[in-house]
Amino acid sequence: GQQLNQSPQSMFIQEGEDVSMNCTSSSIFNTWLWYKQDPGEGPVLLIALYKAGELTSNGRLTAQFGITRKDSFLNISASIPSDVGIYFCAGLNYGGSQGNLIFGKGTKLSVKP
Amino acid sequence: IAGITQAPTSQILAAGRRMTLRCTQDMRHNAMYWYRQDLGLGLRLIHYSNTAGTTGKGEVPDGYSVSRANTDDFPLTLASAVPSQTSVYFCASSPGNGLGYTFGSGTRLTVV
Repeated sequence: GQQLNQSPQSMFIQEGEDVSMNCTSSSIFNTWLWYKQDPGEGPVLLIALYKAGELTSNGRLTAQFGITRKDSFLNISASIPSDVGIYFCAGLNYGGSQGNLIFGKGTKLSVKP
Repeated sequence: IAGITQAPTSQILAAGRRMTLRCTQDMRHNAMYWYRQDLGLGLRLIHYSNTAGTTGKGEVPDGYSVSRANTDDFPLTLASAVPSQTSVYFCASSPGNGLGYTFGSGTRLTVV
């Protein structure tokens, strides 16, 4: 089946540093999504990308949908302690009988004050 | 506040027992999903439902069953729990057509 390769698996950074993580797939997706999961909570949608080449920002977060539709990256600028959590990429192909998200395995971010 | 409610928040269950995890949404979303989250494996789809009255199998459906009698509720049943079903279970919903999912806060299940 379809799989997403998300990297890095974990990151330890200093407060104020920029962060970059990415996802790649052997399959094409119509939509790329980025989620953040805080400890003890469910994932929360950060950014949704619907067009190849699309670049979207949400505050300090910026994400891009790759031109080939097989990859996406998420950047976080000027990290702060509350950025700590697990970030998941997810690919979606919809239409037909189902439209289910395929998740990457996540990037665990730790921020040192 | 609109969203998804999961119950219970956590449970310790004896192996062989039957258990139903509850999930209710008040957003009138058509589609609902059950995922399990395990360390190093990310989120894996168990079952899904695109509309009330229909269900389908995801990546890891064995040992689980679901029903979708109405739009709001999507319970997940473990007929005879086994220790490998120890996990955190997340319910999610979506309006469909490629829009993002909304997740519940999860149920932490330990089968002993």
